[in-house]
Amino acid sequence: DAGVTQSPTHLIKTRGQQVTLRCSPKSGHDTVSWYQQALGQGPQFIFQYYEEEERQRGNFPDRFSGHQFPNYSSELNVNALLLGDSALYLCASSMNAGGNQPQHFGDGTRLSIL
Amino acid sequence: DAKTTQPPSMDCAEGRAANLPCNHSTISGNEYVYWYRQIHSQGPQYIIHGLKNNETNEMASLIITEDRKSSTLILPHATLRDTAVYYCIVRVGYNQGGKLIFGQGTELSVKP
Repeated sequence: DAGVTQSPTHLIKTRGQQVTLRCSPKSGHDTVSWYQQALGQGPQFIFQYYEEEERQRGNFPDRFSGHQFPNYSSELNVNALLLGDSALYLCASSMNAGGNQPQHFGDGTRLSIL
Repeated sequence: DAKTTQPPSMDCAEGRAANLPCNHSTISGNEYVYWYRQIHSQGPQYIIHGLKNNETNEMASLIITEDRKSSTLILPHATLRDTAVYYCIVRVGYNQGGKLIFGQGTELSVKP
C-alpha cells in the first residue's frame, strides 16, 4: 500500500520563476493538505483541498495556489519565487470520513531558490 | 488557535521509557491532541492522537490529564531509531482533516 508520494524530491529555481510541486495521496484518502517547513522550524499550514476545492488556507500570499484533480492528487504552484520560499514542502493526505482522521505525510520536496 | 508548549530537547537511555510532556492549556472541548515525529530528512510520521481518554497503539501511549491541559507521550522502550523531533499538536477543525499547527517540538536523543 503506497503512502503519500511527492515529486520531485529536490528542485532548484531562481528568483522570479514559477514552480509546480505534485502530490499523490495515500490510497483511500480524498483530502490533501500542503505545508511549508523552513530549516529548523516546524511545518506551517498552507492550504487544504477537498472535492477539488480549497477548503482552508493558512497565512500565505496569493503567489501560493493549488489544485486538486478528480483522482484526488494535488499540485502546489508558487509564482514569482523569492529567496524566502526556500523550504521543504510537505503534502499530507487524510480521509474525510468524519471524526478525526490523522493526516499522513510524504517526505516532501526540497525547494532551493538561488 | 490552541498552542502547545514542549521542552526543546530531552535525552533518554536506550531501552528505557521516554516520557515527552506537552502543555496545551488553551485547548477547546472538541480539539484533539496529536503527536507526530520527524526524523531528519523525512516527512512527519503520525504516532497517536486522543481527545480525553488515554490511548495506546503499537508505537506509543498517550496520557491526557483530566482537565485536558497537558499530555504525555510515552515510548515504552526507546531505541536509537526513536531519535527524532516530536511534535505535540492541537488539531483545529473537525471536517476535512483539519489543519495541524506545529510548534518547535522536542528533540529527543536516545543514547546507547
